[in-house]
Amino acid sequence: KAGVTQTPRYLIKTRGQQVTLSCSPISGHRSVSWYQQTPGQGLQFLFEYFSETQRNKGNFPGRFSGRQFSNSRSEMNVSTLELGDSALYLCASRPDSSYNEQFFGPGTRLTVL
Amino acid sequence: AQSVTQLGSHVSVSEGALVLLRCNYSSSVPPYLFWYVQYPNQGLQLLLKYTTGATLVKGINGFEAEFKKSETSFHLTKPSAHMSDAAEYFCAVSSYNQGGKLIFGQGTELSVKP
Repeated sequence: KAGVTQTPRYLIKTRGQQVTLSCSPISGHRSVSWYQQTPGQGLQFLFEYFSETQRNKGNFPGRFSGRQFSNSRSEMNVSTLELGDSALYLCASRPDSSYNEQFFGPGTRLTVL
Repeated sequence: AQSVTQLGSHVSVSEGALVLLRCNYSSSVPPYLFWYVQYPNQGLQLLLKYTTGATLVKGINGFEAEFKKSETSFHLTKPSAHMSDAAEYFCAVSSYNQGGKLIFGQGTELSVKP
């Protein structure tokens, strides 16, 4: 079974721009979560989507948003990019029956100049 | 609220020596506990998990961890380190009411000396 895939793997943007990241979960997984990883703040939960509905949200500003499609693929959008948004963005999926065990993708490395 | 503290941001061991990475958690409800490993430029890979039942859990690559409720700990061990174990390790906590949300510790970078 194919793992979680994320595109693109690397991205360079400038301040003020917006960016969209994509995540395809493992086949059959309906839950997709997003995390931000930075050297200073570590791994922080952004939000979780399940069956196209946002089910949980972390403590991030409204510039960070997401959505999920009927095939469970998810996108994350960051508007008005700031230098501090430079990070590795990780997507994870999990099966309905799991005890919150997440399967992570390789991440998208976003650099904001 | 839940939180995780990993003691030691860097741990260095010799090849063949015991690996011990420490993790303490805080949770007001029964926790689910996880250890993940991250190699450079890669995502996170699950090493092992504790949800219910046996408190000593075995994972991949010879790692194991013991859930100690009285000490609120979930330390990761491996009897004999291998060079390929060099990576960053993250402890995480969740619970039945958290959905897909994991709370991570700050991570411990493990170095293995030949």
